[in-house]
Amino acid sequence: AQRVTQPEKLLSVFKGAPVELKCNYSYSGSPELFWYVQYSRQRLQLLLRHISRESIKGFTADLNKGETSFHLKKPFAQEEDSAMYYCALNQGGSQGNLIFGKGTKLSVKP
Amino acid sequence: DTEVTQTPKHLVMGMTNKKSLKCEQHMGHRAMYWYKQKAKKPPELMFVYSYEKLSINESVPSRFSPECPNSSLLNLHLHALQPEDSALYLCASSQATGYEQYFGPGTRLTVT
Repeated sequence: AQRVTQPEKLLSVFKGAPVELKCNYSYSGSPELFWYVQYSRQRLQLLLRHISRESIKGFTADLNKGETSFHLKKPFAQEEDSAMYYCALNQGGSQGNLIFGKGTKLSVKP
Repeated sequence: DTEVTQTPKHLVMGMTNKKSLKCEQHMGHRAMYWYKQKAKKPPELMFVYSYEKLSINESVPSRFSPECPNSSLLNLHLHALQPEDSALYLCASSQATGYEQYFGPGTRLTVT
């Protein structure tokens, strides 16, 4: 069964510290994976997609098919990074729906 | 216009009321979605429209009735809801199914 697992409900780091938000997936085909972010009182926003291999707001994520992981990383966390982060799997094709992990709340302390 | 808009922002309705939620996008996207999000939980898919046709209904109760009048508009008609239906209802769109989705700000629904 398709599944996205984010093992940490809450991750708390100090400003300037590295941060890694974990995401593991279970999918039989070729997955399309995304990270979405939801800042307080704002809409859910697309942060990263694995196929573009880009860096947004200093965040990167690499798809590791061997470990079925798509961890989100940032070398130096900022207070404005505090938000809810969701890893999502797109089944693609005619299915189209996103399967979300339960989310990790990142809190960056000054 | 690169945003998905939703109206109203907030809605309070009684269990016998009939109301509708509206979603609009002008990005030329041909797939649109309704999600339900409870507090501190991830969004849960309700419906998917692809080229204005309903392609996925995730076993949603019939008191929720979606409608896609054209490629830019998506409605969710509500009737005889229950208090447990109170949630944030999110609309999203994508170029087509299988592409990245862009979300609206949501309608916060309270059923009394």
